[in-house]
Amino acid sequence: DAGITQSPRHKVTETGTPVTLRCHQTENHRYMYWYRQDPGHGLRLIHYSYGVKDTDKGEVSDGYSVSRSKTEDFLLTLESATSSQTSVYFCAISELGGNNQPQHFGDGTRLSIL
Amino acid sequence: EDKVVQSPLSLVVHEGDTVTLNCSYEVTNFRSLLWYKQEKKAPTFLFMLTSSGIEKKSGRLSSILDKKELFSILNITATQTGDSAIYLCASFGNEKLTFGTGTRLTIIP
Repeated sequence: DAGITQSPRHKVTETGTPVTLRCHQTENHRYMYWYRQDPGHGLRLIHYSYGVKDTDKGEVSDGYSVSRSKTEDFLLTLESATSSQTSVYFCAISELGGNNQPQHFGDGTRLSIL
Repeated sequence: EDKVVQSPLSLVVHEGDTVTLNCSYEVTNFRSLLWYKQEKKAPTFLFMLTSSGIEKKSGRLSSILDKKELFSILNITATQTGDSAIYLCASFGNEKLTFGTGTRLTIIP
């Protein structure tokens, strides 16, 4: 299994509070990704990183920010959580990115915004 | 807009049956198609296909890609209860993966 740890595994919080999810990898892979998974939508890309301090937006980036200060850690922040951000969040990594490398996923964080 | 469509949405079969899962895609600058298996937690990687007509196999699972007709199939022979899962198809293009919503496969003992 890819060495990916997501924390926390579960979180319940209230609307308007800030939330930070952490993804930690031990593979020294360059690329890291944050997805959300919702019924009827499949996995959708929020943000991704192609190196330390290098990040870019995915298709559902509104309301989310990310940071990557070290190769091994990729943080996803909801500045002011809303109920529409209730979801399961997955982190993924790939060694080189691009079309010749599959992405490998962490076990997910289940986030509920009340 | 890039799109990946999987069918059927769900499938219930008896142990020992053979199943075929379908995936069609419309992706700009297509590079590869990937299959994942998702049980309770993380999607786990099964196959990546980049060329038409070349079958990939892993035990009882196999997959093939048709780049002309823009689809892929995943076959599972002699199904077992451990094959029960959601199977996700994803297509890589424009530097990102686009996922389908998955096929939920249930194997009855």
